[in-house]
Amino acid sequence: AQSVAQPEDQVNVAEGNPLTVKCTYSVSGNPYLFWYVQYPNRGLQFLLKYITGDNLVKGSYGFEAEFNKSQTSFHLKKPSALVSDSALYFCAVSGMNRDDKIIFGKGTRLHILP
Amino acid sequence: DVKVTQSSRYLVKRTGEKVFLECVQDMDHENMFWYRQDPGLGLRLIYFSYDVKMKEKGDIPEGYSVSREKKERFSLILESASTNQTSMYLCASSPLVSGYEQYFGPGTRLTVT
Repeated sequence: AQSVAQPEDQVNVAEGNPLTVKCTYSVSGNPYLFWYVQYPNRGLQFLLKYITGDNLVKGSYGFEAEFNKSQTSFHLKKPSALVSDSALYFCAVSGMNRDDKIIFGKGTRLHILP
Repeated sequence: DVKVTQSSRYLVKRTGEKVFLECVQDMDHENMFWYRQDPGLGLRLIYFSYDVKMKEKGDIPEGYSVSREKKERFSLILESASTNQTSMYLCASSPLVSGYEQYFGPGTRLTVT
């Protein structure tokens, strides 16, 4: 069965510092991996995805994520945090079969401190 | 850009009422989904549909039903609303190909009193 874990409910980072939001997954075979962001009272917004190829994926707003197959992780990163990055972040995984559903993590709230 | 719209941003209903939540997408996507989002529980899939008039149960279908009469429209129905259905409801769509991201609507915050 597929699963995804975001081990931190909340992450606090000072503005200008690098940030990391962690995600680990479990899936049969190769995964499709996604990151979404949710601003207050809004729907989820797609940030980036890993399908195949280069393990470092670049996405919107300067975010990137690194796929690590041996550690089954897909951590979200940004070199220099902005206050406007404060939001709720969701990691998601699906298998490669057409019938595989996307499974979302419980979310990590990111606070960027001015 | 893909646009997914939901009929209401905020809704207040009484216990026992029948509630309709409407979702429309404009990108000709085959797949459509309904989730509910609760603090600490993340997103939980209620129902999804991969074609007109087709529906599949998700993880928490009890107390809900859905309707998809047209490709662009996916409705969530609460047959008899209860207070434990107070939640944020999110609709999403995606193409019928694995590996594609889902596109979300802005959400409907439903309060059942």
